[in-house]
Amino acid sequence: RKEVEQDPGPFNVPEGATVAFNCTYSNSASQSFFWYRQDCRKEPKLLMSVYSSGNEDGRFTAQLNRASQYISLLIRDSKLSDSATYLCVVNMRGQYNTDKLIFGTGTRLQVFP
Amino acid sequence: SAVISQKPSRDICQRGTSLTIQCQVDSQVTMMFWYRQQPGQSLTLIATANQGSEATYESGFVIDKFPISRPNLTFSTLTVSNMSPEDSSIYLCSASEQNYEQYFGPGTRLTVT
Repeated sequence: RKEVEQDPGPFNVPEGATVAFNCTYSNSASQSFFWYRQDCRKEPKLLMSVYSSGNEDGRFTAQLNRASQYISLLIRDSKLSDSATYLCVVNMRGQYNTDKLIFGTGTRLQVFP
Repeated sequence: SAVISQKPSRDICQRGTSLTIQCQVDSQVTMMFWYRQQPGQSLTLIATANQGSEATYESGFVIDKFPISRPNLTFSTLTVSNMSPEDSSIYLCSASEQNYEQYFGPGTRLTVT
């Protein structure tokens, strides 16, 4: 089983739509969770951290379900500028007892007019 | 968030040669990392760059191939040694503080011919 799994998409949605991405992770000891956004030929940019109680930032809502080892990202009122790849990221304890981030392969979103 | 720059932004190199990539952060940071992103793939961690000591490499990456320096809390270098076409990729550095949120440089696009 992959350490972090995402549906690769692409998700093609019209402007104004609501879209949800899901992600599962394998290590139950993971403590920190993030969503990053990556535009074509650009570096990943932190979109939001995901907290146990769930959190919202404008049109974006992130949820965490520790029991099911599942993370979600909801985007409301999609804009053309939301078109990008969304990366689910989980921290894991690596060798030498150091923490490291594991990146999912990403879910592509294309918003059309 | 930290602002991170990388040099060079891109390069085309001949097989058998080496390239050193520089990463500069605009503030002192605890952790710095080096990643590789192959076309259409997600990010793979190469190593954690430790200030004042040897880097911590992930499985599949070795110091002889990817020597890393981190002389202070704002700067790191990654060298890709004895390059082959399989090393063609985007190399990204990132930095973080203790909350595990990582911020990325713009990446170095390497093509080996």
